[in-house]
Amino acid sequence: DIVLTQSPGTLSLSPGERATLSCRASQNIGHSALAWYQQKPGQAPRLLIYGAFTRATGIPDTFSGSGSGTDFTLTISRLEPEDFAVYYCQQYIDPPLTFGGGTKVEIK
Amino acid sequence: EVQLLESGGGLVQPRGSLRLSCSVSGFTFSNYAMNWVRQAPGKGLEWVSGISTDGTTSSVDSVRGRFTTSRDNSKSTLYLKMDSLRADDTAIYYCARVPTGGRYYYMDVWGKGTTVTVSS
Repeated sequence: DIVLTQSPGTLSLSPGERATLSCRASQNIGHSALAWYQQKPGQAPRLLIYGAFTRATGIPDTFSGSGSGTDFTLTISRLEPEDFAVYYCQQYIDPPLTFGGGTKVEIK
Repeated sequence: EVQLLESGGGLVQPRGSLRLSCSVSGFTFSNYAMNWVRQAPGKGLEWVSGISTDGTTSSVDSVRGRFTTSRDNSKSTLYLKMDSLRADDTAIYYCARVPTGGRYYYMDVWGKGTTVTVSS
């Protein structure tokens, strides 16, 4: 199974700051088989990014994805109050589908 | 509006059974693969199983042989039959839509989840 390792585990930042989240895969997952999700407490995950860099419908352009191979990044250019949440990456190049352990973005 | 609504969760004893349902609306159910994803208390996300538009299913090793995924396109409903439940199956179970006919993909719409607690 492909293992996804997210870092850091927790990111403490202030509104308006830039957040950079990392997702590293144990195997090469190509150019695009990676998605990012946002989850707030008590809510279901929400799709943010698919194909490594394509924003889902309704996702603001403050969110961007990049990377290929084994190293992927989610960047939030300016944190809004509603962006403080847990973020997960997910690979879909090879079954079983697997998720990273998550990065919590908290208010500093 | 696209909606997914899970039901059927609850408290069950170890080695018991439960059937979850996911009723969908706002899109043509038969055109989409569907997945089940779970989240244990305070933990991350884990893909449980999926079903393609042609009815082909697959699941994670830890539930294979115990959980069965099925769909009824006439009722726009996805099911997860869970047998031989264990304490480590305790989780919120989400159904999620896959924006293609194949189940190994990302998931673009999620339900709110239903909670399964396995305990004596």
